[in-house]
Order: sequence, then C-alpha cells, then structure tokens
Amino acid sequence: DTEVTQTPKHLVMGMTNKKSLKCEQHMGHRAMYWYKQKAKKPPELMFVYSYEKLSINESVPSRFSPECPNSSLLNLHLHALQPEDSALYLCASSQGGRSNEQFFGPGTRLTVL
Amino acid sequence: EDQVTQSPEALRLQEGESSSLNCSYTVSGLRGLFWYRQDPGKGPEFLFTLYSAGEEKEKERLKATLTKKESFLHITAPKPEDSATYLCAARNQAGTALIFGKGTTLSVSS
Repeated sequence: DTEVTQTPKHLVMGMTNKKSLKCEQHMGHRAMYWYKQKAKKPPELMFVYSYEKLSINESVPSRFSPECPNSSLLNLHLHALQPEDSALYLCASSQGGRSNEQFFGPGTRLTVL
Repeated sequence: EDQVTQSPEALRLQEGESSSLNCSYTVSGLRGLFWYRQDPGKGPEFLFTLYSAGEEKEKERLKATLTKKESFLHITAPKPEDSATYLCAARNQAGTALIFGKGTTLSVSS
C-alpha cells in the first residue's frame, strides 16, 4: 500500500482564521514532508520531518507551523494567512536511506480570502 | 547550484504518436532521479527511480532511461489517458529534499 491520505480536500479560510491540514501514512515511512504548489509550478518544499524531528525548514513564514505527533501523522497549522498563500498543499512520505522515493498525497486545495 | 531542467514545456501528440520527454540535470552526487505524473489538482504519482547511468525502467507505455547528464521518458503509442504533467526530480548527495524540474505538460488527442 503506497497511500498517503490528506484532509480536508478543500479549505477556504479568512485571513484571521486558524485551521489545520492533516496527513497520514501507514507505510512505516520515517520521513514526512510538506510541499506548497502554485498553479503550473513544481512543488516547493516547506518542511521535512525525519524520525519525528523537524530536519528541514525552508525559511517558511511563521504563520505556517508544522507538527509531527507520531511517525504516521503530520499536521500543518495555519494562522493569519495571506491571499498569496492560496495553493495546493501536498504531503509526502519516504522510507529514508537510499530508497528515497517520495509518495505524495492528493493534496489540500487551500483558498485564503 | 544543483538544477533540473525539463523540455519541452508542453507537448501535443496524436494518439499512437511516440515521443520522448527530456530531463537534464546538474546535481552533485546524484542519489536518485525520479519521474512523477501529475494530473490537474492532484498530487504527483510516483512512476520511476533511476540511480545509475545506463539504467532503464518500464511501465506499460512508459520507459525511463538515464545517462550521466540527462534522463528521458519515452512514451510509446500514447493514449489520451496519458495526458498529464510529467515531473522530473533529483536528489543530491547532501540533502533529503528533491530538486524538481518545471515539468512537461503532455496532451494526447484521439
């Protein structure tokens, strides 16, 4: 099973709202990722968790706050977002080591009003 | 600086018209070259990983090859359902992150 699930599929929020995106995988992968993808652009890496510890933070604004409660779950907490943050947010996971295929979830389409 | 470049940006084919997509890379200590397919509004779907020059992998109408400077995704007798954006990505020696190209959008008409 190479499935990564993400909820919700769509999210509309105002600039003063607080919301969270959720990601789950049951492949026993030890690395999990958040990406942001704008229309007609490739995914841009935001955060990497390796063995439940934040290992990469690509200078993402503090209005995005990641959390990894356990090895299967990854959250992205959103607060005071801007309209330009509207995008497709993708979660991915990988086994780590030499076998580094990343498997992506279906994404959450976020619209900030 | 590590870089992945895909060409062409867009490709239109007739059903059955075979072609190739190119991914050229300059990556320090390549630790994997990855191909993904992405349909509009969905997450990328993993297709292939290539590690060494000369390596080839096949899946249905798709075949991926790797040289020391580039990778090709060959599409044989494509069907309309092959229409998608194909992303190439590389992992370098230093990092966990993937370096993505901008993608090739393939349209196959019947």
